[in-house]
Parts: sequence; structure tokens; C-alpha cells
Amino acid sequence: AQSVTQLDSHVSVSEGTPVLLRCNYSSSYSPSLFWYVQHPNKGLQLLLKYTSAATLVKGINGFEAEFKKSETSFHLTKPSAHMSDAAEYFCVVTDAGGTSYGKLTFGQGTILTVHP
Amino acid sequence: DGGITQSPKYLFRKEGQNVTLSCEQNLNHDAMYWYRQDPGQGLRLIYYSQIVNDFQKGDIAEGYSVSREKKESFPLTVTSAQKNPTAFYLCASKAQGVYGYTFGSGTRLTVV
Repeated sequence: AQSVTQLDSHVSVSEGTPVLLRCNYSSSYSPSLFWYVQHPNKGLQLLLKYTSAATLVKGINGFEAEFKKSETSFHLTKPSAHMSDAAEYFCVVTDAGGTSYGKLTFGQGTILTVHP
Repeated sequence: DGGITQSPKYLFRKEGQNVTLSCEQNLNHDAMYWYRQDPGQGLRLIYYSQIVNDFQKGDIAEGYSVSREKKESFPLTVTSAQKNPTAFYLCASKAQGVYGYTFGSGTRLTVV
């Protein structure tokens, strides 16, 4: 069984300050992990993914995430928030390796608000 | 119980044929989405619809078509123009102002 918990439903930051969106996961096998972003009235966009290579994963728009197996965490960070980062973010886990489809389990989402 | 129903669960198509995947929801959600999942790729957005009779292309819309004639239904047609249609297709819906998505169980399409 697999599950994912996004620890904050809302995060509010000021422009130019760091962003931290927290995600803990549970998985019976070696998981693949993803972060997706959804801007208002848009579909999901893949930010980054971890698939058992480097534990520090760099994504688009300056985001990165670190896979910590001992803490079962995959927190998303960005050094300096921009107004355009305001969106909803989803952490996703799958037990499947790179050669199978697997079942994707989405977190409930974290809404990021960026203040001027 | 409310939810999203995708059918069929498995679908085989010959090359050159069009095929339509069904997605029905009884959640009264406004927005519906079609995603494609390839091994190791996560989800990629094909089409989405925020309201009846309106839809927008996602990241990989080429070779696909959709319609949204009813709020409950958002069928996806995989046309012969789609060069690599073998994949797992997920339909999702989301209510306005509500966090998170509801996903269907998916349709696995294989071209033979």
C-alpha cells in the first residue's frame, strides 16, 4: 500500500523569501515521487520527479526536492518565491519502477500564496 | 457512491483505427481532465474542460480529441494521428474551490 500526506493545506510566503512545501509518503517498495503544480484554471504540470537516481532533484522554475528515505519525506523547496509561483502543488507517489505504469497516489494538495 | 467511471479498463486497437475512451462522473464537478501515463513519466495532460461545451488543449493534445456536451461526461478519442497511443489513460475531475482531484481507475490502451 502507498500513501502520501501533504502536511500543509495552505502556505503563505512573501515574494523573495524561501518556499517549503512538505510531503511525507508511505510505500512498500522503492517509490517514484513527483511534484506537480496546477495554476488556476489550468491542468497539472510536472515540476520534478525522483526515480531512484540522485536524491536531490532539480525541477523547473527553480524548484528542487530532496528524497530522504530515513524520514520518508520529499519536501519541495525554492530559494526565492516569485508571484508567478502562486498555485496549488501536489505530491505524488507510485510504487512502480520505471518500466511499469503503477498506481499514482496524489496528496491532497497545498495552496501556495505569494504576497508582494 | 459518487465517483468517476472509466471504461473500458483494457482496450486494444489496431493501427489506423480511432478509439473512444469513456469518462463519466456523478460528483457534480465542473472541471474534468484527461491525463496520459507512460512508464516512468508520471502524468501528462492531454485535454481539460472547465465547463460544458468548452475545453482546452493540454501539453500533448496532438492526435487526440474530446467533447464536453454534458457536465457528467468527457470522452476522449484517440485518433489514428496519435503516433504512440499505447499508454495508460486517466480521467480526473475537480470541484471548484475544493482541494485535490478525484481520479478514475484508468484505461489501458494497447495498439496491436
